[in-house]
Amino acid sequence: DARVTQTPRDKVTEMGQEVTMRCQPILGHNTVFWYRQTMMQGLELLAYFRNRAPLDDSGMPKDRFSAEMPDATLATLKIQPSEPRDSAVYFCASGFLLAGVVNEQFFGPGTRLTVL
Amino acid sequence: DAKTTQPPSMDCAEGRAANLPCNHSTISGNEYVYWYRQIHSQGPQYIIHGLKNNETNEMASLIITEDRKSSTLILPHATLRDTAVYYCIVRVAVSGFGNEKLTFGTGTRLTIIP
Repeated sequence: DARVTQTPRDKVTEMGQEVTMRCQPILGHNTVFWYRQTMMQGLELLAYFRNRAPLDDSGMPKDRFSAEMPDATLATLKIQPSEPRDSAVYFCASGFLLAGVVNEQFFGPGTRLTVL
Repeated sequence: DAKTTQPPSMDCAEGRAANLPCNHSTISGNEYVYWYRQIHSQGPQYIIHGLKNNETNEMASLIITEDRKSSTLILPHATLRDTAVYYCIVRVAVSGFGNEKLTFGTGTRLTIIP
């Protein structure tokens, strides 16, 4: 069945390094979301796209984070430079806009990022 | 988005109905109630949503009070695989800047007891 895929599943890196996380949304879905989950903050929305255009990135630290959709089958989230406080599980989700709303967001398995 | 209040944890015996409450006393007229769950080490999973009428699908039933200030998610025959954190979320169900955001609280950790 159709699923959101994310790579890598686990990433360990050192402070200052660039990190790129990738997401393949479900084919046909036109809305893609990036969330971050930590023990302290829980699940929080970082950014989301509709038809590859960014709609809201207010939850994302602008100085070091960037999110893009090079094409309809790939979304990327980059952190440069990475810091220990970026350690978290990053989830990508996709959905389809129907009757003016995305009701069901399909989440990927997440990328567990550890910054040493 | 209106805030929601859920009990931090609940237990339920396997095979019994699990009833998960949620208070959303400040909900607005155009806000829907959504339920998601997150099984350990997995991404959240959509369960059901509703506006004011009771809703049922293959996973669960959603009962919303007439004044819409609270709701209950019902898993009719809980299995061990239903052990998860359940999130009640209130959201405007209209497309627009920021409206797509799901604001997850701390949820209810449901444990199904064999």
